[in-house]
Amino acid sequence: ETGVTQTPRHLVMGMTNKKSLKCEQHLGHNAMYWYKQSAKKPLELMFVYNFKEQTENNSVPSRFSPECPNSSHLFLHLHTLQPEDSALYLCASRDNRNTGELFFGEGSRLTVL
Amino acid sequence: GESVGLHLPTLSVQEGDNSIINCAYSNSASDYFIWYKQESGKGPQFIIDIRSNMDKRQGQRVTVLLNKTVKHLSLQIAATQPGDSAVYFCAERGRNTGFQKLVFGTGTRLLVSP
Repeated sequence: ETGVTQTPRHLVMGMTNKKSLKCEQHLGHNAMYWYKQSAKKPLELMFVYNFKEQTENNSVPSRFSPECPNSSHLFLHLHTLQPEDSALYLCASRDNRNTGELFFGEGSRLTVL
Repeated sequence: GESVGLHLPTLSVQEGDNSIINCAYSNSASDYFIWYKQESGKGPQFIIDIRSNMDKRQGQRVTVLLNKTVKHLSLQIAATQPGDSAVYFCAERGRNTGFQKLVFGTGTRLLVSP
């Protein structure tokens, strides 16, 4: 139990569907992240939020839309995805007063048909 | 450009042996390095970190060595156990990229046989 909870753990969707991934952290952190993990590729940073403000968008296609209503919750809204978007999406949080340690959730495994 | 890479994609060891997982980095401006462990079906978990002003740091059964001359990082696991079987990632943060941008390697899979 890392203190970062992601739901759903598994999601299958068609290319025309709209779905959302949810992340919640119980660590009192003030920064939250979305990462994409594909097979045989390094973790790819997607978005960063600090104190609810987006501070990083790593050239992510607009079919991925993040939302951070408060420092404890982070969403990733998905719309008209492509099969190559199938991956494990990891949420992480961090106390940005410290060094670099990220606390990861267990991920949401997304399959796009 | 920046890159963080691992020499071996898979490392197989016997239970009780010591394991050494290597990582090369190319950004000489990196000032902080971190190792994560990812078990099957789980997210990455922090193992140990090291700053560039150090060349060695020890934790419980783990040691990280940093050689800035050749831009090489290693993770040593003593008396490897079956529970150590996982994928291990190194990550680095460049001094000019800010605290939030860790660059991850592709990972090395450690297989521990009894």
